[in-house]
Amino acid sequence: EPEVTQTPSHQVTQMGQEVILRCVPISNHLYFYWYRQILGQKVEFLVSFYNNEISEKSEIFDDQFSVERPDGSNFTLKIRSTKLEDSAMYFCASSVRQGGSEQYFGPGTRLTVT
Amino acid sequence: TQLLEQSPQFLSIQEGENLTVYCNSSSVFSSLQWYRQEPGEGPVLLVTVVTGGEVKKLKRLTFQFGDARKDSSLHITAAQPGDTGLYLCAGYNTGNQFYFGTGTSLTVIP
Repeated sequence: EPEVTQTPSHQVTQMGQEVILRCVPISNHLYFYWYRQILGQKVEFLVSFYNNEISEKSEIFDDQFSVERPDGSNFTLKIRSTKLEDSAMYFCASSVRQGGSEQYFGPGTRLTVT
Repeated sequence: TQLLEQSPQFLSIQEGENLTVYCNSSSVFSSLQWYRQEPGEGPVLLVTVVTGGEVKKLKRLTFQFGDARKDSSLHITAAQPGDTGLYLCAGYNTGNQFYFGTGTSLTVIP
């Protein structure tokens, strides 16, 4: 069964460093998403991406964040200068359509900023 | 911010008991989904409900979408230890943003 994959599973970085989190969505899906889950808190929407551009973004997704689909398979989230409060699980998801279409989540990347 | 409140937040029951988890909002959603999340893993989709009043069954799980599409419930019959996990509702609004609920942590004791 097709699934969303994410790498790395765990990333440790120092405050101020740039990190890139990688995702490979399900191959026939057209919409891609990033979410964040701080330990013990709820899953929060960051951004959605379609046709090589951002469709929607939340207040969390500020200038420190960027997303890219550099090739036909990868979907990346870049955090330019990490802060301690960026420590969280980051989930990638993909869906066939938007507007209520079912989203399938990857296993997540645990980002720890020290 | 569109808030989806889930209740109860924590639930611990004996194997074989029935339970209901609620997901409520003051906002209308075009669709609502239920996920289950295990520790350290991503949410796994259980069901999507789209039509107000819709009821969907998945084995021992029954999902209902409120008539006004502002709330939903998940009912589990004869809970089993394998049902243990974090249950999340998530709603899609007309602005194409996806909002997750606060979550219900279920523990089924053998």
